[in-house]
Amino acid sequence: AQSVAQPEDQVNVAEGNPLTVKCTYSVSGNPYLFWYVQYPNRGLQFLLKYITGDNLVKGSYGFEAEFNKSQTSFHLKKPSALVSDSALYFCAVRGYTGGFKTIFGAGTRLFVKA
Amino acid sequence: NAGVTQTPKFQVLKTGQSMTLQCAQDMNHNSMYWYRQDPGMGLRLIYYSASEGTTDKGEVPNGYNVSRLNKREFSLRLESAAPSQTSVYFCASNVGREISYEQYFGPGTRLTVT
Repeated sequence: AQSVAQPEDQVNVAEGNPLTVKCTYSVSGNPYLFWYVQYPNRGLQFLLKYITGDNLVKGSYGFEAEFNKSQTSFHLKKPSALVSDSALYFCAVRGYTGGFKTIFGAGTRLFVKA
Repeated sequence: NAGVTQTPKFQVLKTGQSMTLQCAQDMNHNSMYWYRQDPGMGLRLIYYSASEGTTDKGEVPNGYNVSRLNKREFSLRLESAAPSQTSVYFCASNVGREISYEQYFGPGTRLTVT
């Protein structure tokens, strides 16, 4: 069975500092991994995905994520945080279990302080 | 393009009442999904439709029914609402069955059952 864990409910970072939001996964077969962001009272927006190839994936708004197969992790990173990055971030894994399904993590709330 | 639209945005129901949540997408996507979002639990899949004319149960289908009216529209019905169905409901779509496709989300419906 596939699963996703986001070990931190909340991450606090000062504006201008680097940020990391952690995600680990469990899936049989090749992992297909996604990050989404949710701003208040909005739906989720796609940020980036790992399907195959380079372990460092670049996405929207300056975000990137590092795929590490041995640690089964897919951490979201940004070199310099902005106050406007404050939001709820979801990691997701997509796999096939009798049909293609996406499993979402519980979410990590990011606070960026000015 | 409007993307994925949902109606209504907010709804309050009494226990036992019924209602239908509407979802439409104008991106010519084949697959559509209904999720519920509860604090600390991420998104859980209620039902999905891999293509027009097909629907399948997700992780938490009890108490819900769906209709894929045409390629654009996918509705979610609560026949007899219960307080446990108080949640935020999101509709999503993606291009098709391929494992690599990201999902596009609507703005959500906030439902309260008293």
